[in-house]
Amino acid sequence: AIQLTQSPSSLSASVGDRVTITCRASQGINRALAWYRQKAGRPPKVLIYDASILESGVPSRFSGSGSGTDFTLTISNLQPEDFATYYCQHFLNYPYTFGQGTKLEIK
Amino acid sequence: QVQLQESGPGLVKPSETLSLTCFVSGYSISNGYYWGWIRQPPGKGLEWLGSILHSGDTYYNPSLMSRGSLSVDTSKNQFSLNLRSVTAADTAVYYCARRGYVASSESWGWFDPWGQGTLVTVSS
Repeated sequence: AIQLTQSPSSLSASVGDRVTITCRASQGINRALAWYRQKAGRPPKVLIYDASILESGVPSRFSGSGSGTDFTLTISNLQPEDFATYYCQHFLNYPYTFGQGTKLEIK
Repeated sequence: QVQLQESGPGLVKPSETLSLTCFVSGYSISNGYYWGWIRQPPGKGLEWLGSILHSGDTYYNPSLMSRGSLSVDTSKNQFSLNLRSVTAADTAVYYCARRGYVASSESWGWFDPWGQGTLVTVSS
């Protein structure tokens, strides 16, 4: 199975900041990657798919880039609702796998 | 608006079978899309368990070691997960979700929307 490694595992930031989370795949996955935000006690919500396509209704402060094995999620102008845990997921083939998560906390 | 709702017992004894159902509203399963199960142990990350199409075509995570099975009931617009011989390691919030698909780019594989999730505890 393809392994996804996110970094950092946690980070602290302030409202209005810009942060970047990375996801590295154990083998090339083209652009078959999605990013999710999970607020405490809630199911994950997809933000980006195909590495850089913004899901309908997701604010433009979220952006994704990358292909092959290295991907990034960037959040600009952090809002209070963005302090949550973020996951990447590949869908190149089965089994689909997720990264271990990155917890974004308020500084 | 597509909505999913998981249902099933919150407590299962070790070695028994965990059975969950996901009811879909706002969309007919027979019209397409794969539907999946994902779980999340308390305080941990996400694990994809399997996906099923209305025809019964299924894909499973090998990590289930053949303990899992998915089924679909189009007449009730729902799909189900059975997980046999459970242990404490199967304690988790179980989510059902629809696998995303974009026809224009022939792209699929992410999950949206998700159900609210149901906590299943394996304990005697």
